[in-house]
Amino acid sequence: KNEVEQSPQNLTAQEGEFITINCSYSVGISALHWLQQHPGGGIVSLFMLSSGKKKHGRLIATINIQEKHSSLHITASHPRDSAVYICAVETSGSRLTFGEGTQLTVNP
Amino acid sequence: EPEVTQTPSHQVTQMGQEVILRCVPISNHLYFYWYRQILGQKVEFLVSFYNNEISEKSEIFDDQFSVERPDGSNFTLKIRSTKLEDSAMYFCASRIGFSGEAFFGQGTRLTVV
Repeated sequence: KNEVEQSPQNLTAQEGEFITINCSYSVGISALHWLQQHPGGGIVSLFMLSSGKKKHGRLIATINIQEKHSSLHITASHPRDSAVYICAVETSGSRLTFGEGTQLTVNP
Repeated sequence: EPEVTQTPSHQVTQMGQEVILRCVPISNHLYFYWYRQILGQKVEFLVSFYNNEISEKSEIFDDQFSVERPDGSNFTLKIRSTKLEDSAMYFCASRIGFSGEAFFGQGTRLTVV
């Protein structure tokens, strides 16, 4: 079993829709990261969370430590949001353990 | 905005050859990492580096791999004798401290033929 599970694997939405991507993990963590990977391959950090909720523009990330679960929400989605969204956790040490990613496609 | 820079963006090498992948982390960052992503798979941790030494490495990071910070700015990953299965995208990352946001480079796509 993977330490980090994301769902869904693939998500197609229409422009303007509210999007939720979920991440569950099976180990104790010190922090959880949400990252974005564009088709060219580069990885951009979106959020780092250890509790509660963070918001940046149209993106919102939440984490429930007791349930070992985090969600990434995108409000008013846009075609430029199309990318792979990756959940990664820190356990012992500072290394990140990555999920498989969620491929998001937003159609105009 | 400061960024992590990796060179080259793409490298093709023959099996058995040595390759060096280069990274310039953000200047005031103290923790450095190499990750790799085989095509179609998830990103995997290779090694972390702090205070001029390896702080953690994965089982992937065997004797064929080495890292170095030869001067105050560069952070390199060397693969001594490349294998076909080393073909992947290699990402460098840096962080200001033990915990904190991770900044990734754009990656080096290594193709071993």
